[in-house]
Amino acid sequence: EAGVTQSPTHLIKTRGQQATLRCSPISGHTSVYWYQQALGLGLQFLLWYDEGEERNRGNFPPRFSGRQFPNYSSELNVNALELEDSALYLCASSPGLGWETQYFGPGTRLLVL
Amino acid sequence: GESVGLHLPTLSVQEGDNSIINCAYSNSASDYFIWYKQESGKGPQFIIDIRSNMDKRQGQRVTVLLNKTVKHLSLQIAATQPGDSAVYFCAETAGVGGRRALTFGSGTRLQVQP
Repeated sequence: EAGVTQSPTHLIKTRGQQATLRCSPISGHTSVYWYQQALGLGLQFLLWYDEGEERNRGNFPPRFSGRQFPNYSSELNVNALELEDSALYLCASSPGLGWETQYFGPGTRLLVL
Repeated sequence: GESVGLHLPTLSVQEGDNSIINCAYSNSASDYFIWYKQESGKGPQFIIDIRSNMDKRQGQRVTVLLNKTVKHLSLQIAATQPGDSAVYFCAETAGVGGRRALTFGSGTRLQVQP
């Protein structure tokens, strides 16, 4: 069974640009979560999608947004990139109600110059 | 979001010894806890979980202990191996149902000396 996949693996952007990161959950999983992990720091919760809807978001500005598609894959968009947005962005998925365990993908390393 | 310093607590052990990694949590309503292992350049990998109605759970070479009275969680790794070297995070969640975000601890780096 394939795990959570993310693309691209690395992304280099300049300040002010927009970045789009993609995530495909484990087959059968309906919930997708996004986390930011800055270098040397812990995981900060960004967004949670389930059944196509945003269920919760962390303490991040509105320029961090995303969506979930009918096939449960998800996109994270970061507008007006700032240098401090450089981080590893992790996507996780879970099977649905009653299953709290989240399974993580390998992440997308975003570098903002 | 929560901010953590650049220097993670580090636990250094000899190969073959047992390791104990600790985690304190603050939300008394948390009812589900997970330990993740993160190797350099990779996403966190699920190790073991425990629900609040238990105080101990064992897996292969790993044991998680939960003390709800003092809101403390620990991960014990038996016969630590070089491949166990990684950063270990505890995570907690509270509420009903599974579609919830996890709150992660700051992490502990485990270094296994050969």
